[in-house]
Amino acid sequence: DAKTTQPPSMDCAEGRAANLPCNHSTISGNEYVYWYRQIHSQGPQYIIHGLKNNETNEMASLIITEDRKSSTLILPHATLRDTAVYYCIVRVGDQGAQKLVFGQGTRLTINP
Amino acid sequence: DAGVIQSPRHEVTEMGQEVTLRCKPISGHNSLFWYRQTMMRGLELLIYFNNNVPIDDSGMPEDRFSAKMPNASFSTLKIQPSEPRDSAVYFCASSRYAGGTRVQPQHFGDGTRLSIL
Repeated sequence: DAKTTQPPSMDCAEGRAANLPCNHSTISGNEYVYWYRQIHSQGPQYIIHGLKNNETNEMASLIITEDRKSSTLILPHATLRDTAVYYCIVRVGDQGAQKLVFGQGTRLTINP
Repeated sequence: DAGVIQSPRHEVTEMGQEVTLRCKPISGHNSLFWYRQTMMRGLELLIYFNNNVPIDDSGMPEDRFSAKMPNASFSTLKIQPSEPRDSAVYFCASSRYAGGTRVQPQHFGDGTRLSIL
């Protein structure tokens, strides 16, 4: 699976949009981009995933650049409950690569 | 809907004892994963099953660790004998898998916090 690079930490004001970047310059054509987050003392929580088109769900939006070498997770109106470690993961969508390889992620702090 | 259920939530035991962690996946999910999280190594996959069959156990640290999935609704991770370096949070996750290139997201339980004294 392609390696990802994320900033170790970020801060955002409550109510503002939180934009979390992820670089995956070695991504292959059949690799998906997944985002998970882990709130303190809880298990990781799936947020969103995409291949090449931008995606949006009730939690967030995922913007993938045209060359697919980077992506941005957007939390449109951050709340204090969004404080967590956010993981960007790329993986091939077949049985041989069902496993998730977690890096260090970005520790996002939402400030009141 | 019930999520992934893990038990116990906390376990404290002495070195050398057998430890058994339990997991009930989400109903209808046919893939099950065991992860371990420590400060030093982060979150790492230990083993995963598809349709109750172990697919990849390359992350299991050593022979003291074993995992079973006797049926679609239950899995165990056993450590025997346990050692202090096994202290960690152990997570179970499940997902639907139907083959092909579309892999479904994994849903995690709240973990078991294991302390070996």
